[in-house]
Amino acid sequence: NAGVTQTPKFQVLKTGQSMTLQCAQDMNHEYMSWYRQDPGMGLRLIHYSVGAGITDQGEVPNGYNVSRSTTEDFPLRLLSAAPSQTSVYFCASSYSGQSIRGYTFGSGTRLTVV
Amino acid sequence: AQTVTQSQPEMSVQEAETVTLSCTYDTSESNYYLFWYKQPPSRQMILVIRQEAYKQQNATENRFSVNFQKAAKSFSLKISDSQLGDTAMYFCAFMNGGSQGNLIFGKGTKLSVKP
Repeated sequence: NAGVTQTPKFQVLKTGQSMTLQCAQDMNHEYMSWYRQDPGMGLRLIHYSVGAGITDQGEVPNGYNVSRSTTEDFPLRLLSAAPSQTSVYFCASSYSGQSIRGYTFGSGTRLTVV
Repeated sequence: AQTVTQSQPEMSVQEAETVTLSCTYDTSESNYYLFWYKQPPSRQMILVIRQEAYKQQNATENRFSVNFQKAAKSFSLKISDSQLGDTAMYFCAFMNGGSQGNLIFGKGTKLSVKP
């Protein structure tokens, strides 16, 4: 099925551990992005990419790294997990950054840092 | 910077009745897009309706419609004949159409439809 696939769906990390959240899309979308969702805060943009090899920071980039080596994949790396990074993470993609079609979202990853 | 404000953290409505969710935004741009997303307990983000700023006609999608007031920078969502399955978080979102734009979300409104 065409769409955005995120793995894992749930993860528990210890403070200081690192991990990578995976995101893949099979719709040939140029634009991909990562958001975090916290209670009462809506969704906030972490990083985004307008195409392979191009990434940029969003509103809350600290503590996260991204790369875009292929059109399909856009992994999010937590370098040294902190309790403040406990959140639900969403990956989204679109044909282009600005599009009336809106974004297609993955099903999210619930991350808990203890 | 653009901002999106949803002033109603929670709302409830009786099944079959109509409810309106409010959204205001702030921008100096003239070309942009507006969206309403629904997030049910499953956590999936679902696009409900969208509006292009240059279109004066309000968008409609079945039981969902918007009241787009460009001068007032208001973009409310009306749900008619509310159903139990409409229970969800609803997010208003803004996207700048003139340059590299990203979706900017409001904080959401939790809607409960009661039987």
